Amino acid sequence: SQQGEEDPQALSIQEGENATMNCSYKTSINNLQWYRQNSGRGLVHLILIRSNEREKHSGRLRVTLDTSKKSSSLLITASRAADTASYFCATAGGSYIPTFGRGTSLIVHP
Amino acid sequence: SQTIHQWPATLVQPVGSPLSLECTVEGTSNPNLYWYRQAAGRGLQLLFYSVGIGQISSEVPQNLSASRPQDRQFILSSKKLLLSDSGFYLCAMEIGAGLDGGEQFFGPGTRLTVL
Repeated sequence: SQQGEEDPQALSIQEGENATMNCSYKTSINNLQWYRQNSGRGLVHLILIRSNEREKHSGRLRVTLDTSKKSSSLLITASRAADTASYFCATAGGSYIPTFGRGTSLIVHP
Repeated sequence: SQTIHQWPATLVQPVGSPLSLECTVEGTSNPNLYWYRQAAGRGLQLLFYSVGIGQISSEVPQNLSASRPQDRQFILSSKKLLLSDSGFYLCAMEIGAGLDGGEQFFGPGTRLTVL
């Protein structure tokens, strides 16, 4: 299965700390994406990283991809209470249809 | 800019009743469209996707069906709802698709409770 599995399932930190979430998958991919979901809302796309890329940045977000280990990480630096949400990774193979994991629930305490 | 409308926002239906959820998109033409279901505390399960009018691919065998009568309209239906159909239904379209795939742009979702 292409499905990514996020780790940890839940993460609780203080405002200002960094938050790191990991995603592992089983088969080769064409791209991996990270999404954010606030409670009861639709998902919002954060970053897409291609299989030939190793790192991408967007504001306070940093995503790495290690295809040899079939894993990716999402780092949120200097977290804020507004970063509280669930974060999902989605992997896409030959069909380019993303398959989503179960997500990491992040709580940032003010 | 792209916009996705989903209605209704919430729905409570008895077991055995029919279902029709509608998704319409704006700001693009001939988009790839997707229906996902998210059970409480779980990830997203892809139900259907469509690459064009009348073209539907089903990912999971179930009592749900989908139709795409117009380029920017995607409908999820059921003739008889089951308790297990409860969940958060999300419509999405693919944007920025290139050689390496695009991102998914999601609608606000429909919360369905089957009693």
